[in-house]
Amino acid sequence: EGRLVESGGGLVQPGQSLRLSCTASGFTFSDYGMNWVRQTPGKGLEWVSFIRSKVHAERRQYAASVKDRFTISRDDSKGIAYLQMNSLKTEDTAIYYCTRSNHLYCSDGSCSADLWGQGTLVTVSS
Amino acid sequence: DIHLTQSPSTLSASVGDRVIISCRASQSISHFLAWYQQKPGKAPKPLIYKASNLESGVPSRFSGSGSGTEFSLTINGLQPDDFATYYCQQYNDYSPTFGPGTNVDIK
Repeated sequence: EGRLVESGGGLVQPGQSLRLSCTASGFTFSDYGMNWVRQTPGKGLEWVSFIRSKVHAERRQYAASVKDRFTISRDDSKGIAYLQMNSLKTEDTAIYYCTRSNHLYCSDGSCSADLWGQGTLVTVSS
Repeated sequence: DIHLTQSPSTLSASVGDRVIISCRASQSISHFLAWYQQKPGKAPKPLIYKASNLESGVPSRFSGSGSGTEFSLTINGLQPDDFATYYCQQYNDYSPTFGPGTNVDIK
């Protein structure tokens, strides 16, 4: 079935950077697209970014709220997806979830998630 | 972005009840809608994809229907384990969005 484990969250000041990692196990990582989704009590669930598999040219997509500040990447040899977060703002404070997407069930635009990690908390505060 | 609304926002029900949660999209999303269940302190759990397809391992008392802009999640015979918050998500375009959630609690 598979498992995803996020790491790298923590407390940072506004303007600083943080890199989240998502370590996959129990499935062929390279076959799947990977997403980051965040959740706050006030704004609910918000999709952040998506990277497709190598077969789909590793195409990347970003929410408007993080475009040009966040970068998603993947290392298929290690089974890890990353989210590099720069110029962090207080409104980026959230639990960040890594999720997996099966390309077979995607639209032309994006995908649902069939597996979620447990989440990692990012707090941006001075 | 495509906006999703869910109704009701809170639903009080009893074990054994039939529960229906609605999700409406601000524009047509074909059948690209998913449903998730979330319990406090846990990650969302996938239930349904492409509007009506059950994820592996999800009990058959859960079902989804709809297309275009109107969708629903039905739980036939609510079980104690089903008290949770339910979210819909559209993934028809390049910017997927989630609904605000429906909290199903014990009457």
